[in-house]
Amino acid sequence: KQEVTQIPAALSVPEGENLVLNCSFTDSAIYNLQWFRQDPGKGLTSLLPIQSSQREQTSGRLNASLDKSSGRSTLYIAASQPGDSATYLCAVGTGRRALTFGSGTRLQVQP
Amino acid sequence: IAGITQAPTSQILAAGRRMTLRCTQDMRHNAMYWYRQDLGLGLRLIHYSNTAGTTGKGEVPDGYSVSRANTDDFPLTLASAVPSQTSVYFCASSESFSGANVLTFGAGSRLTVL
Repeated sequence: KQEVTQIPAALSVPEGENLVLNCSFTDSAIYNLQWFRQDPGKGLTSLLPIQSSQREQTSGRLNASLDKSSGRSTLYIAASQPGDSATYLCAVGTGRRALTFGSGTRLQVQP
Repeated sequence: IAGITQAPTSQILAAGRRMTLRCTQDMRHNAMYWYRQDLGLGLRLIHYSNTAGTTGKGEVPDGYSVSRANTDDFPLTLASAVPSQTSVYFCASSESFSGANVLTFGAGSRLTVL
């Protein structure tokens, strides 16, 4: 059974800092890994899906990396802004199964 | 705007009552999913459908049922609600049922069972 862990559960940083969110998974035979953003009371928005053949994806100030062999992914946010405050969830796609989600990291960027 | 519509957005329900959460997508996606989100537990899959006419059980299916009569609609029914079913419910869809596909989510339905 795939298990996904996200550390830390919560993070508070001052505006402008670079930060890293971590995701680990137990079964390395994955098809893809997806990072989602969730604002309070809202649904999930896909940020950076990474296929199993890729090592990283970049979009603006966001960079997601994937190391299948070690079962790890990181989401790097450069020059954080208060608008980045949200919960970030990591989800892993394994075979012909639906995604397995971590419990998320709640990020607060202080102005 | 293409996407997923969920209804109701919020509902308070007495224990023992029947409740159906509605989900409609206009992207012609084959696969649809129902997740529940609880504090500290992340999202857990309740039921899924990989194509119209077929459904399957996820991680936490007990107390819930689904149907998929057509491509667009995927309602979730609680036959007799219990307080442990208090949660936020998210419907999602993808082009096909595979871990390789990107999911699109609805805005969620917050359900409180008293």
